[in-house]
Amino acid sequence: NAGVTQTPKFRILKIGQSMTLQCTQDMNHNYMYWYRQDPGMGLKLIYYSVGAGITDKGEVPNGYNVSRSTTEDFPLRLELAAPSQTSVYFCASSYSVPRGFPVPWNTEAFFGQGTRLTVV
Amino acid sequence: AQSVAQPEDQVNVAEGNPLTVKCTYSVSGNPYLFWYVQYPNRGLQFLLKYITGDNLVKGSYGFEAEFNKSQTSFHLKKPSALVSDSALYFCAVRDINDYKLSFGAGTTVTVRA
Repeated sequence: NAGVTQTPKFRILKIGQSMTLQCTQDMNHNYMYWYRQDPGMGLKLIYYSVGAGITDKGEVPNGYNVSRSTTEDFPLRLELAAPSQTSVYFCASSYSVPRGFPVPWNTEAFFGQGTRLTVV
Repeated sequence: AQSVAQPEDQVNVAEGNPLTVKCTYSVSGNPYLFWYVQYPNRGLQFLLKYITGDNLVKGSYGFEAEFNKSQTSFHLKKPSALVSDSALYFCAVRDINDYKLSFGAGTTVTVRA
């Protein structure tokens, strides 16, 4: 099983450039997340999605955009890259039963291997 | 709003001694709770979770955690630490009435031989 696949693994951008970080999962998970990890800061949630066509902002959405046109794919777009966006980016997916379901259930989140982005 | 606190940036233990990594959480409803481990330059690996049922949860590599609702805690434990347990550990929470999955800042565990 491929699980969660992120591309690229590494990227160097110049200030003002744009790029898309790709994320795809093959587990038919409804929830998908984008996080950034900075040293000593843990993981900060950028955007998340609870299903195709539905996205919402996390803690640190400024400078990013997402879309979720299919269950499998959840790309993260950086417009006008800034040095503050230098970070390691992780995509994750999980399955959760709908709210109000009689038996609560949520799988663990499965993570991709990360994209190390440097903006210079 | 939900949040997770890992009060210790670093935990140092000798090999063979018990290991505890602390986690407290805040949610408005009931929580889903998770522990992950990260090795250098790697992604996050799942260790264990609490969804419902028994408060004591057993996971991978001999780790376990106890859900304590009154203390809003979910501490990770291992009876006998190994040098190979040295890594960065994250606690995460999701309120069952919310969609976001929130992580703590992480605790670096160093196990000395």
